[in-house]
Amino acid sequence: EAQVTQNPRYLITVTGKKLTVTCSQNMNHEYMSWYRQDPGLGLRQIYYSMNVEVTDKGDVPEGYKVSRKEKRNFPLILESPSPNQTSLYFCASTHFSGRRYEQYFGPGTRLTVT
Amino acid sequence: AQKITQTQPGMFVQEKEAVTLDCTYDTSDQSYGLFWYKQPSSGEMIFLIYQGSYDEQNATEGRYSLNFQKARKSANLVISASQLGDSAMYFCAMREGKQAGNMLTFGGGTRLMVKP
Repeated sequence: EAQVTQNPRYLITVTGKKLTVTCSQNMNHEYMSWYRQDPGLGLRQIYYSMNVEVTDKGDVPEGYKVSRKEKRNFPLILESPSPNQTSLYFCASTHFSGRRYEQYFGPGTRLTVT
Repeated sequence: AQKITQTQPGMFVQEKEAVTLDCTYDTSDQSYGLFWYKQPSSGEMIFLIYQGSYDEQNATEGRYSLNFQKARKSANLVISASQLGDSAMYFCAMREGKQAGNMLTFGGGTRLMVKP
């Protein structure tokens, strides 16, 4: 079964305490990305990756880091979280072949930074 | 200027009827892609349909079709034979440039409510 897993699903943390949200896909997709969703601001892309060791900034990369050491994993790292990073985060995995897209999202991680 | 505009914050449709959700986009790229996503109240994001800028035929996926009008820069989603389970937020998005993994920009969404 095609799957994108994210952990944790819910996290409450304090300002400045480093955290990592993991994302893993089992479809051997080359593209992966991270989004945040905020009320009134919609979905915004944080970082994306076109393959192993290839990452690029999205719309709102400040305060986040990513790495893509293996094809299946794309963790999101908040080195020093701040309250403005309180949000709902989605990881997505994508395959594109010819004219056909295949894309799956993880279940989301709701992060609260106090 | 907004790259993706969804002008309908909310819409109602009667069960079994067709509904069109509007999306207009703004880009100077010749190569781009347009996407629609569904987000039910449970919160997950579901990819529905994709249209490439060079595709001459409108994309279809089951009851979903994308009405692509390039000259008008519109990419409306048409849902045929609405079902109660179609009640959700719907987001239009655009990828600019040729690279399939390029950044996506999303519209603000349309909340669709299907009436029994």
